[in-house]
Amino acid sequence: DSGVTQTPKHLITATGQRVTLRCSPRSGDLSVYWYQQSLDQGLQFLIQYYNGEERAKGNILERFSAQQFPDLHSELNLSSLELGDSALYFCASSVDPGVSSPLHFGNGTRLTVT
Amino acid sequence: DQQVKQNSPSLSVQEGRISILNCDYTNSMFDYFLWYKKYPAEGPTFLISISSIKDKNEDGRFTVFLNKSAKHLSLHIVPSQPGDSAVYFCAASAVYNNAGNMLTFGGGTRLMVKP
Repeated sequence: DSGVTQTPKHLITATGQRVTLRCSPRSGDLSVYWYQQSLDQGLQFLIQYYNGEERAKGNILERFSAQQFPDLHSELNLSSLELGDSALYFCASSVDPGVSSPLHFGNGTRLTVT
Repeated sequence: DQQVKQNSPSLSVQEGRISILNCDYTNSMFDYFLWYKKYPAEGPTFLISISSIKDKNEDGRFTVFLNKSAKHLSLHIVPSQPGDSAVYFCAASAVYNNAGNMLTFGGGTRLMVKP
């Protein structure tokens, strides 16, 4: 158990809808990351927060947004969903925001858009 | 453009033998490299890392080798055990002007260790 909690585990929704994925980091970790794993793209970095502030941004679509709250949990909002958004979304956390701090991943939220 | 590549989608080895997983990268700005292991229905788990100032790092049965001139790294598992059967991801990171930690992952190699 990595200590990172993601909810829900599975989500099935229709195109055009909006969903929110939630992540609670390991106790003591200040940095939270979101990754997307689709069948043809592998694990793709979306965004990183550190202590409530955005720290780094990857190829995150404009339809997607995220935030980290004062209690350090994070939410990833996906809107105007398309079939291609179906993927596993992983949250990870680390103590420090730098490269030498290993990421601890949750078990992911599987999103299916129909 | 895949900046981190794992050219072998799968690898099968006998228990007790050595497993060698390979990874190539193209971005010369990468200066920190990691290996993660992933079991089905779980998130990736950190295994071992190496900084670009080193060419080898060892942790128990796991050793990572880095060849900067060839832009190549490898993970050696000795001896391999059936519990090592999983998908292994190579990842790379670079520090750009105090930016955060953006890991670029390879596509993964599925390792099967046969008893």
